[in-house]
Amino acid sequence: DAGVTQSPTHLIKTRGQQVTLRCSPISGHKSVSWYQQVLGQGPQFIFQYYEKEERGRGNFPDRFSARQFPNYSSELNVNALLLGDSALYLCASSFLQGTNTGELFFGEGSRLTVL
Amino acid sequence: TQLLEQSPQFLSIQEGENLTVYCNSSSVFSSLQWYRQEPGEGPVLLVTVVTGGEVKKLKRLTFQFGDARKDSSLHITAAQPGDTGLYLCAGTGGGNKLTFGTGTQLKVEL
Repeated sequence: DAGVTQSPTHLIKTRGQQVTLRCSPISGHKSVSWYQQVLGQGPQFIFQYYEKEERGRGNFPDRFSARQFPNYSSELNVNALLLGDSALYLCASSFLQGTNTGELFFGEGSRLTVL
Repeated sequence: TQLLEQSPQFLSIQEGENLTVYCNSSSVFSSLQWYRQEPGEGPVLLVTVVTGGEVKKLKRLTFQFGDARKDSSLHITAAQPGDTGLYLCAGTGGGNKLTFGTGTQLKVEL
């Protein structure tokens, strides 16, 4: 079975541009979460979607938005890119909504560089 | 805001040595997970601990959850080069997000 797939794997943008990152969860998983990982740090929670509805939002500006489609895939959009948005963006899927004991399965991430 | 501090931040040791990584917080977590992340990949779950005082062993890795569920440790016995990676603790406080720690970069050399 395929794991969590993310695209693109690497991309370079300039300040002020917009970017869309895509994620396909493991088959059967209905929850998708997005995390930002700056080099040398732990991932920071951005969003969680479950059954196509936003169920959680981290401390990120409104430039960050996301959505989940009927097939449970998801997109993360970032507008008006800043240099500080350069990071690895990780998508994680799980079967359940909650994370107390459920396992999150992470994709390999999308490496965004903003110049 | 829940924060998880890991120590040490970096650790470089020789093959065969033992090591301990610590994960501390002032907040109580419902459960705590440990992940390992290798370059170019996403984090992979190693273990979940749920009960205060719980100890779990996974081959050469021993994980402990503090009695007050505010801290955790990861002990590796006889480290091997394959253990090299970024070790991340992550807490759940109920709800839908993981709060990740600051990370410990481990390098095991021959």
